[in-house]
Amino acid sequence: GAVVSQHPSRVICKSGTSVKIECRSLDFQATTMFWYRQFPKKSLMLMATSNEGSKATYEQGVEKDKFLINHASLTLSTLTVTSAHPEDSSFYICSATWTGQRETQYFGPGTRLLVL
Amino acid sequence: QKEVEQDPGPLSVPEGAIVSLNCTYSNSAFQYFMWYRQYSRKGPELLMYTYSSGNKEDGRFTAQVDKSSKYISLFIRDSQPSDSATYLCAMSGTGNNRKLIWGLGTSLAVNP
Repeated sequence: GAVVSQHPSRVICKSGTSVKIECRSLDFQATTMFWYRQFPKKSLMLMATSNEGSKATYEQGVEKDKFLINHASLTLSTLTVTSAHPEDSSFYICSATWTGQRETQYFGPGTRLLVL
Repeated sequence: QKEVEQDPGPLSVPEGAIVSLNCTYSNSAFQYFMWYRQYSRKGPELLMYTYSSGNKEDGRFTAQVDKSSKYISLFIRDSQPSDSATYLCAMSGTGNNRKLIWGLGTSLAVNP
Protein backbone atom coordinates (compact mmCIF):
# COMPACT_ATOMS: atom_id res chain seq x y z
CA GLY A 1 0.00 0.00 0.00
CA ALA A 2 0.83 3.73 -0.03
CA VAL A 3 2.06 3.89 -3.61
CA VAL A 4 2.82 7.20 -5.25
CA SER A 5 3.55 7.53 -8.94
CA GLN A 6 5.10 10.33 -10.92
CA HIS A 7 4.99 11.06 -14.60
CA PRO A 8 7.08 11.56 -16.59
CA SER A 9 10.12 9.90 -15.05
CA ARG A 10 12.41 11.87 -17.27
CA VAL A 11 11.98 14.91 -19.47
CA ILE A 12 14.28 16.93 -21.67
CA CYS A 13 13.06 20.28 -22.91
CA LYS A 14 14.29 23.44 -24.54
CA SER A 15 14.89 26.59 -22.58
CA GLY A 16 11.76 28.74 -22.40
CA THR A 17 9.24 25.92 -22.57
CA SER A 18 6.96 24.77 -19.76
CA VAL A 19 6.97 21.31 -18.28
CA LYS A 20 4.22 19.64 -16.28
CA ILE A 21 4.93 16.85 -13.78
CA GLU A 22 2.12 14.74 -12.36
CA CYS A 23 2.06 13.12 -8.95
CA ARG A 24 -0.60 10.53 -8.14
CA SER A 25 -1.43 8.57 -5.01
CA LEU A 26 -2.57 5.21 -6.35
CA ASP A 27 -4.12 3.50 -3.34
CA PHE A 28 -4.92 6.20 -0.83
CA GLN A 29 -6.39 9.67 -0.65
CA ALA A 30 -3.67 12.25 -0.22
CA THR A 31 -4.94 15.28 1.61
CA THR A 32 -1.47 16.74 1.52
CA MET A 33 1.21 16.48 -1.12
CA PHE A 34 4.71 17.88 -1.04
CA TRP A 35 7.06 18.86 -3.82
CA TYR A 36 10.80 18.57 -3.39
CA ARG A 37 13.85 19.30 -5.42
CA GLN A 38 17.09 17.39 -5.05
CA PHE A 39 20.50 18.29 -6.43
CA PRO A 40 23.28 15.70 -6.76
CA LYS A 41 24.72 14.74 -3.39
CA LYS A 42 22.41 17.19 -1.68
CA SER A 43 19.47 16.60 0.56
CA LEU A 44 15.86 17.08 -0.32
CA MET A 45 14.75 20.67 -0.52
CA LEU A 46 11.08 21.25 0.17
CA MET A 47 9.59 23.57 -2.45
CA ALA A 48 5.94 23.68 -1.48
CA THR A 49 3.16 22.00 0.45
CA SER A 50 -0.10 21.40 -1.32
CA ASN A 51 -3.44 20.67 0.33
CA GLU A 52 -6.31 19.40 -1.78
CA GLY A 53 -8.53 22.24 -2.93
CA SER A 54 -6.29 24.96 -1.50
CA LYS A 55 -3.48 27.11 -2.78
CA ALA A 56 -0.04 25.69 -2.26
CA THR A 57 2.22 27.05 0.46
CA TYR A 58 5.64 27.81 -0.96
CA GLU A 59 8.90 27.75 0.94
CA GLN A 60 10.98 30.87 1.18
CA GLY A 61 12.95 31.51 -1.97
CA VAL A 62 10.73 29.41 -4.23
CA GLU A 63 9.05 31.44 -6.97
CA LYS A 64 5.35 30.61 -7.02
CA ASP A 65 4.91 32.06 -10.51
CA LYS A 66 7.64 29.83 -11.85
CA PHE A 67 6.63 26.63 -10.10
CA LEU A 68 2.87 26.34 -10.42
CA ILE A 69 1.28 23.72 -8.22
CA ASN A 70 -2.24 22.41 -8.53
CA HIS A 71 -3.84 19.87 -6.20
CA ALA A 72 -7.27 19.52 -7.70
CA SER A 73 -8.17 16.11 -6.33
CA LEU A 74 -7.27 13.81 -3.47
CA THR A 75 -5.13 11.68 -5.75
CA LEU A 76 -3.46 14.13 -8.10
CA SER A 77 -1.12 17.07 -7.80
CA THR A 78 0.76 18.72 -10.64
CA LEU A 79 3.89 20.85 -10.73
CA THR A 80 4.41 23.02 -13.79
CA VAL A 81 7.82 24.54 -14.33
CA THR A 82 7.10 27.60 -16.46
CA SER A 83 9.61 29.08 -18.88
CA ALA A 84 12.21 26.56 -17.83
CA HIS A 85 15.88 27.46 -17.87
CA PRO A 86 18.99 25.29 -17.55
CA GLU A 87 19.31 26.15 -13.85
CA ASP A 88 15.92 24.48 -13.31
CA SER A 89 17.45 21.16 -14.30
CA SER A 90 17.12 18.93 -11.27
CA PHE A 91 15.45 15.88 -9.76
CA TYR A 92 11.90 16.72 -8.69
CA ILE A 93 10.19 14.42 -6.21
CA CYS A 94 6.68 14.52 -4.84
CA SER A 95 5.38 12.89 -1.70
CA ALA A 96 1.94 12.36 -0.28
CA THR A 97 0.36 11.71 3.05
CA TRP A 98 -3.08 11.43 4.55
CA THR A 99 -4.58 13.25 7.48
CA GLY A 100 -2.79 12.67 10.76
CA GLN A 101 0.21 11.00 9.17
CA ARG A 102 2.14 14.05 8.06
CA GLU A 103 5.43 12.54 9.20
CA THR A 104 5.01 9.39 7.14
CA GLN A 105 5.30 10.80 3.67
CA TYR A 106 5.30 8.37 0.79
CA PHE A 107 7.44 9.41 -2.10
CA GLY A 108 7.10 9.09 -5.81
CA PRO A 109 10.00 7.80 -7.92
CA GLY A 110 10.99 11.29 -9.00
CA THR A 111 11.24 13.14 -12.29
CA ARG A 112 14.55 14.08 -13.78
CA LEU A 113 14.31 17.35 -15.68
CA LEU A 114 17.00 18.49 -18.08
CA VAL A 115 16.60 21.90 -19.67
CA LEU A 116 18.81 22.52 -22.67
CA GLN B 1 24.82 25.22 12.88
CA LYS B 2 22.48 23.11 10.77
CA GLU B 3 19.36 21.81 12.45
CA VAL B 4 20.21 18.26 11.40
CA GLU B 5 23.72 16.95 10.86
CA GLN B 6 24.45 13.72 9.04
CA ASP B 7 27.80 12.45 7.84
CA PRO B 8 27.49 11.94 4.07
CA GLY B 9 30.06 9.13 4.04
CA PRO B 10 30.55 7.18 1.88
CA LEU B 11 30.47 4.19 4.17
CA SER B 12 31.70 0.88 2.80
CA VAL B 13 31.22 -2.40 4.69
CA PRO B 14 31.48 -6.12 3.89
CA GLU B 15 28.37 -8.20 3.52
CA GLY B 16 27.07 -9.41 6.86
CA ALA B 17 28.45 -6.47 8.84
CA ILE B 18 26.42 -4.45 11.32
CA VAL B 19 25.96 -0.92 10.03
CA SER B 20 25.45 2.09 12.26
CA LEU B 21 24.10 5.31 10.76
CA ASN B 22 23.63 8.44 12.83
CA CYS B 23 22.21 11.93 12.89
CA THR B 24 22.47 14.69 15.42
CA TYR B 25 20.12 17.61 15.77
CA SER B 26 19.89 20.87 17.60
CA ASN B 27 16.16 21.55 17.91
CA SER B 28 14.82 20.10 21.15
CA ALA B 29 11.26 20.51 19.82
CA PHE B 30 11.67 17.61 17.40
CA GLN B 31 9.38 14.74 18.34
CA TYR B 32 9.12 12.64 15.18
CA PHE B 33 12.14 10.86 13.76
CA MET B 34 12.26 9.02 10.47
CA TRP B 35 14.76 7.09 8.42
CA TYR B 36 14.39 6.89 4.66
CA ARG B 37 16.30 4.81 2.15
CA GLN B 38 16.95 6.19 -1.31
CA TYR B 39 18.31 4.16 -4.17
CA SER B 40 20.09 5.97 -6.96
CA ARG B 41 17.71 8.01 -9.13
CA LYS B 42 14.68 6.93 -7.12
CA GLY B 43 12.46 8.59 -4.55
CA PRO B 44 13.07 7.98 -0.83
CA GLU B 45 11.34 5.05 0.84
CA LEU B 46 10.21 5.25 4.46
CA LEU B 47 12.07 2.67 6.56
CA MET B 48 11.44 3.55 10.18
CA TYR B 49 9.28 6.03 12.02
CA THR B 50 9.68 6.77 15.72
CA TYR B 51 7.85 9.14 18.00
CA SER B 52 9.81 10.58 20.91
CA SER B 53 12.54 8.50 22.52
CA GLY B 54 13.27 4.81 22.53
CA ASN B 55 14.01 1.95 20.21
CA LYS B 56 12.06 0.43 17.38
CA GLU B 57 12.89 -2.77 15.58
CA ASP B 58 11.72 -4.02 12.21
CA GLY B 59 13.45 -7.08 10.86
CA ARG B 60 17.12 -6.31 10.39
CA PHE B 61 16.61 -2.62 11.13
CA THR B 62 16.65 -0.94 14.54
CA ALA B 63 16.05 2.76 15.09
CA GLN B 64 17.14 4.45 18.30
CA VAL B 65 16.33 7.93 19.54
CA ASP B 66 18.20 9.58 22.41
CA LYS B 67 16.53 12.91 22.96
CA SER B 68 18.78 13.82 25.88
CA SER B 69 21.77 13.71 23.54
CA LYS B 70 19.81 14.85 20.46
CA TYR B 71 21.10 11.82 18.63
CA ILE B 72 19.37 9.22 16.50
CA SER B 73 20.70 6.01 15.02
CA LEU B 74 19.76 3.37 12.51
CA PHE B 75 21.32 -0.07 12.83
CA ILE B 76 21.30 -2.60 10.03
CA ARG B 77 22.13 -6.18 11.01
CA ASP B 78 23.46 -8.78 8.60
CA SER B 79 23.85 -6.15 5.89
CA GLN B 80 23.23 -7.22 2.31
CA PRO B 81 24.42 -5.78 -1.02
CA SER B 82 20.80 -4.78 -1.62
CA ASP B 83 21.10 -2.43 1.35
CA SER B 84 23.51 -0.30 -0.68
CA ALA B 85 21.75 3.06 -0.92
CA THR B 86 21.67 6.50 0.62
CA TYR B 87 20.03 6.68 4.04
CA LEU B 88 18.40 9.94 5.03
CA CYS B 89 17.25 10.92 8.47
CA ALA B 90 14.36 13.31 8.84
CA MET B 91 12.63 14.81 11.84
CA SER B 92 9.90 17.23 12.78
CA GLY B 93 8.27 18.94 15.70
CA THR B 94 4.60 19.19 16.53
CA GLY B 95 1.87 21.54 15.43
CA ASN B 96 -0.28 21.87 12.37
CA ASN B 97 2.40 23.32 10.12
CA ARG B 98 5.28 21.09 11.05
CA LYS B 99 7.54 20.06 8.20
CA LEU B 100 10.31 17.57 7.90
CA ILE B 101 13.89 18.69 8.36
CA TRP B 102 16.22 16.44 6.43
CA GLY B 103 19.77 15.28 6.87
CA LEU B 104 22.11 15.21 3.88
CA GLY B 105 22.02 11.44 3.69
CA THR B 106 24.74 8.83 4.20
CA SER B 107 25.84 6.81 1.21
CA LEU B 108 26.27 3.13 2.12
CA ALA B 109 27.93 0.43 0.03
CA VAL B 110 27.70 -3.20 1.16
CA ASN B 111 30.30 -5.26 -0.64
CA PRO B 112 29.67 -8.94 -1.40
